[in-house]
Amino acid sequence: QKEVEQDPGPLSVPEGAIVSLNCTYSNSAFQYFMWYRQYSRKGPELLMYTYSSGNKEDGRFTAQVDKSSKYISLFIRDSQPSDSATYLCAMKGAFNTDKLIFGTGTRLQVFP
Amino acid sequence: KAGVTQTPRYLIKTRGQQVTLSCSPISGHRSVSWYQQTPGQGLQFLFEYFSETQRNKGNFPGRFSGRQFSNSRSEMNVSTLELGDSALYLCASSYRELQETQYFGPGTRLLVL
Repeated sequence: QKEVEQDPGPLSVPEGAIVSLNCTYSNSAFQYFMWYRQYSRKGPELLMYTYSSGNKEDGRFTAQVDKSSKYISLFIRDSQPSDSATYLCAMKGAFNTDKLIFGTGTRLQVFP
Repeated sequence: KAGVTQTPRYLIKTRGQQVTLSCSPISGHRSVSWYQQTPGQGLQFLFEYFSETQRNKGNFPGRFSGRQFSNSRSEMNVSTLELGDSALYLCASSYRELQETQYFGPGTRLLVL
């Protein structure tokens, strides 16, 4: 079993829809939770960063962390065709020596 | 501020050859991490350099090695290439070692024939 599980998709939604992307994890030591967006032929771009449990909002994006369920989510409101990309969750423990562990990514397509 | 740059962007090699990839971090960042990305395995951590020292290493064979220079630029070397080494190699930089917020370059796409 992988430490971080993420549905690969693809997820196809119409423009304007609310998108929910999720990851589950098994390591209770994870304290930092990130979402990266990766466009085709590009490197991942940091989208959201959360420490411990709770919600964080940035424009159309909301990240949620539920440590009791070992479950994190990224919500995209009013999705746009420009949101079409692969979304990667990533997690890390509290220590400097802890590595970032990535999910395999969910491919999202927003059609006009 | 300029982002992370990687050279070359594309590379074709044959089995048995070796390859060197280069990464220039964001100015002021002292940590460089390398990742291998494949469709089946996703992003996998190779190693991380901070202040010219390897601080952490993933589960890759010794054919994968790296180094960091005093200006924080880093190189990654893969010797005796195998077909399975075909992947997108990404480097990421951060101010501190293995910082949770890392900034990625565009990657080097390596094809081994």
